Amino acid sequence: AQRVTQPEKLLSVFKGAPVELKCNYSYSGSPELFWYVQYSRQRLQLLLRHISRESIKGFTADLNKGETSFHLKKPFAQEEDSAMYYCALNTGGFKTIFGAGTRLFVKA
Amino acid sequence: NAGVTQTPKFQVLKTGQSMTLQCAQDMNHEYMSWYRQDPGMGLRLIHYSVGAGITDQGEVPNGYNVSRSTTEDFPLRLLSAAPSQTSVYFCASSPSLGGRGNTGELFFGEGSRLTVL
Repeated sequence: AQRVTQPEKLLSVFKGAPVELKCNYSYSGSPELFWYVQYSRQRLQLLLRHISRESIKGFTADLNKGETSFHLKKPFAQEEDSAMYYCALNTGGFKTIFGAGTRLFVKA
Repeated sequence: NAGVTQTPKFQVLKTGQSMTLQCAQDMNHEYMSWYRQDPGMGLRLIHYSVGAGITDQGEVPNGYNVSRSTTEDFPLRLLSAAPSQTSVYFCASSPSLGGRGNTGELFFGEGSRLTVL
């Protein structure tokens, strides 16, 4: 079955500390993976996708097919990074499955 | 462009009542979908559509109906609301892959918070 697992419901770090939001997936096909972010009082929006291999707002994510993971990383967290983060898996173009989400709280 | 517009933003229903959540997009996206967001469960796909006249079920379709008569609109109907349908509902659209689904980049509405008493 297709599944996206985000093991941490809440992640709290200090400003300037590194942050890693974990995401593991289960999918037998070739995965397309995404990270979405929802800032307070804003719409859910795309942060980055694995095929782009780009860094957005200092965040990067590498697809590891061997470990079936797509962890989101940032070397130095900022207070404005506090938000809800969702990992998502696109299965063949018709369905996008989301994980349960991780709330990141960056403390001053 | 307004993007994806959902109405109403808030709604309170009594058990057994019916209602329709409206969703409209002005980006000419062929793919549209409805999700519900519940604490600890993330977003779960209810129904989706790859174009006008074509709809299909997602992960949690029971209790919900959809139709897609135009490219712009994708309403979600609750025929007989139940307390288990208390949730925040999100509509999302995506550029088409020519009938092969969506590109994976979903554009979301602001959400509709529904409470069923």
